[in-house]
Amino acid sequence: GAVVSQHPSWVICKSGTSVKIECRSLDFQATTMFWYRQFPKQSLMLMATSNEGSKATYEQGVEKDKFLINHASLTLSTLTVTSAHPEDSSFYICSVGGLAGYNEQFFGPGTRLTVL
Amino acid sequence: QKEVEQDPGPLSVPEGAIVSLNCTYSNSAFQYFMWYRQYSRKGPELLMYTYSSGNKEDGRFTAQVDKSSKYISLFIRDSQPSDSATYLCAMSAGGFKTIFGAGTRLFVKA
Repeated sequence: GAVVSQHPSWVICKSGTSVKIECRSLDFQATTMFWYRQFPKQSLMLMATSNEGSKATYEQGVEKDKFLINHASLTLSTLTVTSAHPEDSSFYICSVGGLAGYNEQFFGPGTRLTVL
Repeated sequence: QKEVEQDPGPLSVPEGAIVSLNCTYSNSAFQYFMWYRQYSRKGPELLMYTYSSGNKEDGRFTAQVDKSSKYISLFIRDSQPSDSATYLCAMSAGGFKTIFGAGTRLFVKA
């Protein structure tokens, strides 16, 4: 399967600052990447679908101006949490689709964001 | 009603036991069924990937899909303490959208 990395693995920031999370597909050219958020003991919630060279598609209820997604190349997508607040504290995970299609997703290790 | 229902557990079993994990779903359009394992503070890892109904075996893991009952299962034979994790079922009708269950926390005691 595809190998996906994320950076940073954890970040602590003050309320009001912006945080950028990188997602890299190390061995697979991914035209599409997915961004999820996971709260403690809860399942993965899809935030947006990131398309290389075009605008991301956001799920209902996700603020596109707050969660900025850029997919500038086939191996890199970034998620920027702008003006972060404590309620944005969560585990953010990206994924790429596998050779069998987007149903077979391979996930990065996740980024834990804590906003003070 | 959620599209995918999964008992969050926790499920605690002794080492060597056979573990049965299950999910039910309501959307008859689902065709692709997956099981992921997630260790604490890590991203999910794909364990099993099944298309339509039937069984699939991989080592100690067996996935079953019964579309007529809208029910999927994951069996773990000879469970090990290293199997302790959260197991997420996931399913899709095709395309980009995948729906995940809430995950079942499994503890295998040595």
